[in-house]
Amino acid sequence: QITLKESGPTLVKPTQTLTLTCTFSGFSLSTSGVGVGWIRQPPGKALEWLALIYWDDDKRYSPSLKSRLTITKDTSKNQVVLTMTNMDPVDTATYYCAHQHTYYDSSAIDYWGQGTLVTVSS
Amino acid sequence: SSELTQDPAVSVALGQTVRITCQGDSLRSYYASWYQQKPGQAPVLVIYGKNNRPSGIPDRFSGSSSGNTASLTITGAQAEDEADYYCNSRDSSGKGWVFGGGTKLTVL
Repeated sequence: QITLKESGPTLVKPTQTLTLTCTFSGFSLSTSGVGVGWIRQPPGKALEWLALIYWDDDKRYSPSLKSRLTITKDTSKNQVVLTMTNMDPVDTATYYCAHQHTYYDSSAIDYWGQGTLVTVSS
Repeated sequence: SSELTQDPAVSVALGQTVRITCQGDSLRSYYASWYQQKPGQAPVLVIYGKNNRPSGIPDRFSGSSSGNTASLTITGAQAEDEADYYCNSRDSSGKGWVFGGGTKLTVL
């Protein structure tokens, strides 16, 4: 059974750095084709793909946010960490981590965490 | 604006068929995956690849693709299908991924 759970602060101040941790179970991030990614959703708005780290440590980022994002993994702890610098109120959103399996012509984000709401406010 | 374009809202009569579309240049090379999201819940994968359904997804959900357009079809829509639907595929660089803006499906 695959599960993922996000953890981190619920409130951050503008200009601060957000650090979110995804702790997962039921799969290994050493398995070929497997990745763990982050997706966010501002209240009442659409999903936004942020970043993905693959089993081989290949990292992919949203071009619009690349300068602010860093994704890392700790395979021994079954954790993936996302940091986002220079937080702004527009970054207020529910942040999801998810298991993403990539194929040569498609992908499937097949397991999602419950999400964690992060509010950016002074 | 998203690199994948979806109609903001679509409605369907109970038991009828509805098609939700997603347009984008990357869809000429990569298949879309489709996600259903109900209020207050995390998204759920309903279709991926050429036309693959995860375990537990009813067979009234199907996917197709032509040119730069991917489609999610619900044949015989049920009340519980009322939700937001999002497509996802590669971004224009081919290095990352992107979601469409979402389609709100209303079942009348």
